Amino acid sequence: QQQVKQSPQSLIVQKGGISIINCAYENTAFDYFPWYQQFPGKGPALLIAIRPDVSEKKEGRFTISFNKSAKQFSLHIMDSQPGDSATYFCAASMDSNYQLIWGAGTKLIIKP
Amino acid sequence: NAGVMQNPRHLVRRRGQEARLRCSPMKGHSHVYWYRQLPEEGLKFMVYLQKENIIDESGMPKERFSAEFPKEGPSILRIQQVVRGDSAAYFCASSGSYTGELFFGEGSRLTVL
Repeated sequence: QQQVKQSPQSLIVQKGGISIINCAYENTAFDYFPWYQQFPGKGPALLIAIRPDVSEKKEGRFTISFNKSAKQFSLHIMDSQPGDSATYFCAASMDSNYQLIWGAGTKLIIKP
Repeated sequence: NAGVMQNPRHLVRRRGQEARLRCSPMKGHSHVYWYRQLPEEGLKFMVYLQKENIIDESGMPKERFSAEFPKEGPSILRIQQVVRGDSAAYFCASSGSYTGELFFGEGSRLTVL
């Protein structure tokens, strides 16, 4: 019940295309859903986050879509660029619990 | 404003030796978290500390691993009598509050020969 399942494991997208990464969770007590971006040899960095009171949040080319009834959330990267090539992690936590539960990650490659 | 600083970035140890990993949180942050990452995998929570206190160490193996965050100086993750299975990247993160955004360091990569 504490798991966050992330898919796909890897993804190749042409430059300018849309990259979509999906995550699913089971624990309905989760109320904070961040996405982290990690470049090789670096630590993860917060990209964008959402709480369940909204169904979508957009920051520049990055959008989180949240489906509370399906217990799913996804990251969409519009107009994907080679510089977006990285590993993306979704995560979830309860506001009362600092401890993030992480997805296994998606390695995204944007082809020029 | 310096970010989270971790050292060493790379550490090689032989089986049975000790590994000490250090983490200086961002200025003004008093909450420190240690995570472990195996290749091609996500992060696994190990321990959460505030100054001089271990708040939650539920993710840390019961033996050989310990962590501290003294009143002065960096947080230290200590692994005694290392084994090959301890080879991983160890990340430290800090936040200004227990629900605040996590800021990660660049990690310490431990290789056990």
